[in-house]
Amino acid sequence: KNQVEQSPQSLIILEGKNCTLQCNYTVSPFSNLRWYKQDTGRGPVSLTIMTFSENTKSNGRYTATLDADTKQSSLHITASQLSDSASYICVVSDRGSTLGRLYFGRGTQLTVWP
Amino acid sequence: EADIYQTPRYLVIGTGKKITLECSQTMGHDKMYWYQQDPGMELHLIHYSYGVNSTEKGDLSSESTVSRIRTEHFPLTLESARPSHTSQYLCASSHSPGQGDFRSYEQYFGPGTRLTVT
Repeated sequence: KNQVEQSPQSLIILEGKNCTLQCNYTVSPFSNLRWYKQDTGRGPVSLTIMTFSENTKSNGRYTATLDADTKQSSLHITASQLSDSASYICVVSDRGSTLGRLYFGRGTQLTVWP
Repeated sequence: EADIYQTPRYLVIGTGKKITLECSQTMGHDKMYWYQQDPGMELHLIHYSYGVNSTEKGDLSSESTVSRIRTEHFPLTLESARPSHTSQYLCASSHSPGQGDFRSYEQYFGPGTRLTVT
């Protein structure tokens, strides 16, 4: 079973609307949680990174939240644009090794329609 | 935009051929990684390196091999390609924290190589 679960698997919204993507994880011991945006055929690009002590972080129209007690995170996108169409991947890092192993979710495929 | 490059971007090759996927970064990062990603699935770590002459296998078993002779270069080689190797291969790099440095450092990804073995 994957240690990082994302929902929904896919989402279609109209341009200008807001949306929220969910991420639940079981990775322990927890180090940090990252949200990446991956355009089709490209590598992931970082949006936010949050440690245990941070419960919210913004990057423009993207706002991520973290509840380390319930092991849940969300990514809220405000006033969506066509260019927001991409896969959004939740990634959790552990503290159990010097590598800082990353655990990847399968992503939420977001499509923004005009 | 991260300074990490992968070539080729797309490769279609026949079964049994030897291939090398190139990855280079100009950020001076010590740590480099290779991931494999199938459509709709999560990234799986197949190889990583802490620095020059250091290579380790990742979580997902892979028939590929890697080398790290220079800090900026981390090529991946398949001696004999098979259709089961068809996938997207992503290279990444990150800064290596020093003693007592507990900050979280970003992994920067290259654009990927889409490999198709026929």
